[in-house]
Amino acid sequence: EAGVAQSPRYKIIEKRQSVAFWCNPISGHATLYWYQQILGQGPKLLIQFQNNGVVDDSQLPKDRFSAERLKGVDSTLKIQPAKLEDSAVYLCASSLARIAYEQYFGPGTRLTVT
Amino acid sequence: DAKTTQPTSMDCAEGRAANLPCNHSTISGNEYVYWYRQIHSQGPQYIIHGLKNNETNEMASLIITEDRKSSTLILPHATLRDTAVYYCIVRGGNRDDKIIFGKGTRLHILP
Repeated sequence: EAGVAQSPRYKIIEKRQSVAFWCNPISGHATLYWYQQILGQGPKLLIQFQNNGVVDDSQLPKDRFSAERLKGVDSTLKIQPAKLEDSAVYLCASSLARIAYEQYFGPGTRLTVT
Repeated sequence: DAKTTQPTSMDCAEGRAANLPCNHSTISGNEYVYWYRQIHSQGPQYIIHGLKNNETNEMASLIITEDRKSSTLILPHATLRDTAVYYCIVRGGNRDDKIIFGKGTRLHILP
């Protein structure tokens, strides 16, 4: 079974630039999550989708972050404009359903903002 | 905020059992205890979860105290590949309840 795919794996940008991350969840998984993990901390949920609808985006900095999940499959997370404090690993995860006990994580995208 | 307290780091000799403690003194009746781990440069990986009873799977055992205020994850025969950060998480049983990660325990398996 293929896992959660993410690209790119690494990205370096300057502050005020824009960046986008892509995620392809496990086939058939209705729920998709984006997490931000700052060095030394646990992942923090940014946004959760159920199919192509947003369930929770309470911790998404909406002035600069946006995310979409077209057709309820792939998802993109965008930052515009980036700040130094956005340097982190961005993890995508998926699960069969919102209450599923197991979330499957991708390898993450490491973003460095200079 | 995370509802659990874990030691920052632990060491364990290869081949021995690794016992990772977790305190969750404010856990409520419908909340589960979950464990995930994160190997360096990878995303977190689900290990096990439980409500009241002890649980075992191919990866680990979960021992929950009778009052449910603490638990222990046991890796029976630790290998170098078990070196990772282990997260203990308390999560409710409703579909709106989230998995909230704390800082976890950094487990070093020593050769």
